Amino acid sequence: AQKITQTQPGMFVQEKEAVTLDCTYDTSDPSYGLFWYKQPSSGEMIFLIYQGSYDQQNATEGRYSLNFQKARKSANLVISASQLGDSAMYFCAMKPTAGGSYIPTFGRGTSLIVHP
Amino acid sequence: DTEVTQTPKHLVMGMTNKKSLKCEQHMGHRAMYWYKQKAKKPPELMFVYSYEKLSINESVPSRFSPECPNSSLLNLHLHALQPEDSALYLCASSQVNRADTEAFFGQGTRLTVV
Repeated sequence: AQKITQTQPGMFVQEKEAVTLDCTYDTSDPSYGLFWYKQPSSGEMIFLIYQGSYDQQNATEGRYSLNFQKARKSANLVISASQLGDSAMYFCAMKPTAGGSYIPTFGRGTSLIVHP
Repeated sequence: DTEVTQTPKHLVMGMTNKKSLKCEQHMGHRAMYWYKQKAKKPPELMFVYSYEKLSINESVPSRFSPECPNSSLLNLHLHALQPEDSALYLCASSQVNRADTEAFFGQGTRLTVV
């Protein structure tokens, strides 16, 4: 069974500073992907960034980058130059197979608060 | 169009009411999901539809009844709910049989059962 662990229930960061949100995972699949989602208080789950297990380089999308360490099974999200609008819940996710389907499965999440 | 649309955004219903949640996507995704999410918790999977057929039911009580009338629509019919069913209900869609593509989520329906 696949498992995703986010050990930081809450994180605080000063505006314009960088912050790292931790994610470790456990899987026996030879090929897999890691996703990060942002969920503001409005409720919508917003896709941020994807990292494939065979990707040679760490994924980047604007201010978001993924520090992927395959041997350590970690896929940490780095947000550079934090903004007040980055305050939200952040979920690390995978899509393990179940019953022939790929099911988005989430870690417990990290609540990020950006201070002015 | 990379949007999943859920209606209504908010719903208050009594324990004897019958209501339905609606989800629509036009991305050609043949996998659609219903999740239930409590505050400060991750989404919990309820149902999965693959090619318009129910493929996974995570032991959800029968007071929740899903329906997939076509490849773009997903409904969740609610009847005789309990106050503990109050939560955010999220619909998502994704390319089927792909582990490397993201799921797209709707804004959710905030359900309150009184």
